[in-house]
Amino acid sequence: GQQVMQIPQYQHVQEGEDFTTYCNSSTTLSNIQWYKQRPGGHPVFLIQLVKSGEVKKQKRLTFQFGEAKKNSSLHITATQTTDVGTYFCPGSGAQKLVFGQGTRLTINP
Amino acid sequence: KAGVTQTPRYLIKTRGQQVTLSCSPISGHRSVSWYQQTPGQGLQFLFEYFSETQRNKGNFPGRFSGRQFSNSRSEMNVSTLELGDSALYLCASSLDGQTGELFFGEGSRLTVL
Repeated sequence: GQQVMQIPQYQHVQEGEDFTTYCNSSTTLSNIQWYKQRPGGHPVFLIQLVKSGEVKKQKRLTFQFGEAKKNSSLHITATQTTDVGTYFCPGSGAQKLVFGQGTRLTINP
Repeated sequence: KAGVTQTPRYLIKTRGQQVTLSCSPISGHRSVSWYQQTPGQGLQFLFEYFSETQRNKGNFPGRFSGRQFSNSRSEMNVSTLELGDSALYLCASSLDGQTGELFFGEGSRLTVL
């Protein structure tokens, strides 16, 4: 079945450092979404990527969808303490979103 | 516009009991999905309902069931609770469940003793 693997599972950085998380799917995705879950909170939608090779930016966050539509990445430039949380990248394949384990980001101020 | 509402927020049950969780989606949303979140397994898909019909189902045993009412409100039920069912159960609503973003509720935290 469809699986989405996300790496790394955990990442600890110093405030101001950059951070990148990667998602890899075993199958071609029709689209991929990114969500952020703050500690103690619920996942909140960040963005959706649909086109092959698509790149979208939201302030310090850069999202990329691979050419083969099987992988995606989220890059955060100059992390801030507000970036703390778990980032998920559910991919849409067989009419349902499949979430992975996510990448838990912690930041040392 | 009210968000997704889940009740109860917290509950404690003992092994063997059953539990029913409720989810009221955003007005106008017809799709409701349920997820189980545990520290070790991440977010796991339980099932999705659209217009009162179960459209997709995850790999959970038959003890986990759900339904959706004509007003799009959804319930999920877990029977014969096991210790491993302790988790945060998240409900998410969307317009059609296939292309748009999911709006999550705060979740129902279940503890099984």
